[in-house]
Amino acid sequence: RKEVEQDPGPFNVPEGATVAFNCTYSNSASQSFFWYRQDCRKEPKLLMSVYSSGNEDGRFTAQLNRASQYISLLIRDSKLSDSATYLCVVNIYNQGGKLIFGQGTELSVKP
Amino acid sequence: GAVVSQHPSWVICKSGTSVKIECRSLDFQATTMFWYRQFPKQSLMLMATSNEGSKATYEQGVEKDKFLINHASLTLSTLTVTSAHPEDSSFYICSARGQGLTDTQYFGPGTRLTVL
Repeated sequence: RKEVEQDPGPFNVPEGATVAFNCTYSNSASQSFFWYRQDCRKEPKLLMSVYSSGNEDGRFTAQLNRASQYISLLIRDSKLSDSATYLCVVNIYNQGGKLIFGQGTELSVKP
Repeated sequence: GAVVSQHPSWVICKSGTSVKIECRSLDFQATTMFWYRQFPKQSLMLMATSNEGSKATYEQGVEKDKFLINHASLTLSTLTVTSAHPEDSSFYICSARGQGLTDTQYFGPGTRLTVL
């Protein structure tokens, strides 16, 4: 079983749609959680950290459920510029703080 | 935010040659640097963790004699792909982190390697 698993994509949605990405992780020692965004042929860029209380940044909302080992990202009112691959990432402190990346979910927002 | 650079951004080489990729933290001291590899349509896979002044720790399945990592200073780590083959063609990305395990990792822009 992969350490971090995401919804298989791609997601093709119209502008203005709401889209949700799901992610599960298997290592209960995981301690920090993130969503990264990666554009084609570019490095990943941090979108937001994910906290147990849930957190929101504009149109983006992230949720963490430690009991279920589940992370989600909700994008409201999607824009063309949101088209990218979204990576669920887990930081495992007792393994030297290395980041484990999910396989990514591709989002394509169409006009 | 902190800036990490990589050089070169892309390289094409012949099979059997060695290629060196540099990763620099420009405005902070990176105690730890990480090297990743990403094949098309796949996610980033950690190759090795490098701490300044000590030997790198390689992930399972990564050949340490083929992928030589040097982290001689707090701002520079290098990855040398020795005797490169076409299957080594990939996108190599480094990241750098300060002293704490909880510190944010900052990613370089990546190096695209094509081995003919």
